[in-house]
Amino acid sequence: GENVEQHPSTLSVQEGDSAVIKCTYSDSASNYFPWYKQELGKGPQLIIDIRSNVGEKKDQRIAVTLNKTAKHFSLHITETQPEDSAVYFCAASKEGPGGYQKVTFGTGTKLQVIP
Amino acid sequence: SAVISQKPSRDICQRGTSLTIQCQVDSQVTMMFWYRQQPGQSLTLIATANQGSEATYESGFVIDKFPISRPNLTFSTLTVSNMSPEDSSIYLCSVDPYGGDGTGELFFGEGSRLTVL
Repeated sequence: GENVEQHPSTLSVQEGDSAVIKCTYSDSASNYFPWYKQELGKGPQLIIDIRSNVGEKKDQRIAVTLNKTAKHFSLHITETQPEDSAVYFCAASKEGPGGYQKVTFGTGTKLQVIP
Repeated sequence: SAVISQKPSRDICQRGTSLTIQCQVDSQVTMMFWYRQQPGQSLTLIATANQGSEATYESGFVIDKFPISRPNLTFSTLTVSNMSPEDSSIYLCSVDPYGGDGTGELFFGEGSRLTVL
């Protein structure tokens, strides 16, 4: 089955600096790569995603890159703010039974933005 | 999108007892997913609940331990049976409201944090 590795497990940055989280996956059939943000006491929420036919996607301060050949993808957060502090999960997904996506999550990165 | 409500939000349980978690969605969805998130860990899929049929369990999870009900298109329950301290986790309900025609984005409830003593 799919295996998703995520690094680092914890990350501390000064407010205004950039943060980068990296993930690798194993299954070449995976074609959808979402990133979820989980704030304390809440469920994960999608913040950005990318499909395998795209190399890079940007949404304001966050961007995701995908290297399909190397099977790795990364999340970039620029101009970090204290409210970016949370746990971030990458995921790799492929079509499963019934047309739904079968999702495998990474191990998570706890990001702390220091004011 | 989808708004998901889970009950209870947290509970402290005694070893050997069972607890049922409820999940209510504000729209009709074909499939609902139950995840476990152990302390400081990632999300692990327990099972997929399809309305009108038995749930499909992932490797390492069995129906006797985690029975699931799916009586209609907006509601599901997950029971954690004969609990032990190792079952202390956050249990999350999730849906993909767009199904096979959508992006694959999952929407999550806020989770049910169980502590087993």
